[in-house]
Amino acid sequence: AQSVAQPEDQVNVAEGNPLTVKCTYSVSGNPYLFWYVQYPNRGLQFLLKYITGDNLVKGSYGFEAEFNKSQTSFHLKKPSALVSESALFFCAVRDGRGYQKVTFGIGTKLQVIP
Amino acid sequence: DTAVSQTPKYLVTQMGNDKSIKCEQNLGHDTMYWYKQDSKKFLKIMFSYNNKELIINETVPNRFSPKSPDKAHLNLHINSLELGDSAVYFCASSQLREEAFFGQGTRLTVV
Repeated sequence: AQSVAQPEDQVNVAEGNPLTVKCTYSVSGNPYLFWYVQYPNRGLQFLLKYITGDNLVKGSYGFEAEFNKSQTSFHLKKPSALVSESALFFCAVRDGRGYQKVTFGIGTKLQVIP
Repeated sequence: DTAVSQTPKYLVTQMGNDKSIKCEQNLGHDTMYWYKQDSKKFLKIMFSYNNKELIINETVPNRFSPKSPDKAHLNLHINSLELGDSAVYFCASSQLREEAFFGQGTRLTVV
């Protein structure tokens, strides 16, 4: 069975400071990893993904994530946080084989403080 | 143009009623999904269709029945609604194994 852990319910960061939202995963085959963001009363928006290739993945709006196979982690990062980026962030994983479902983490609320 | 659109956006109904939520995507994707997000924001997949064929059917009560008339549409019909069905239901689509595009959600409230 595959799983995703987002160990922090909430991350607080001052505007302009770097942010990190943590994610670890467990999957039998090769992982496909995703980050999504959800703003209040909206659907999820795709930010970035790792399927293969470079471990550092760059995505939308200046977000990036680093795939670490030995630590089974896929932490989301941004060098400088904006107040408008306060939202709920979801990490997700699927097994790369066949028609496997995507499993989402419980979400981490990012609060950027002015 | 809205990529994944679902209707209605809000649905308030009484226990025991039957209701449907419609979803359409204009992205040309071959896979569509229904997700349920509960009050704690936990997101769980319910169903997935690939080219109109059901490929994922999670442990969901039989009262929930998806229908895909073509690969651009995936509707969700719910019979005999219960209080515990209150949640936000998201439709999404993707190319198989790729990232998903989500609709804006349908907030279902059963009273």
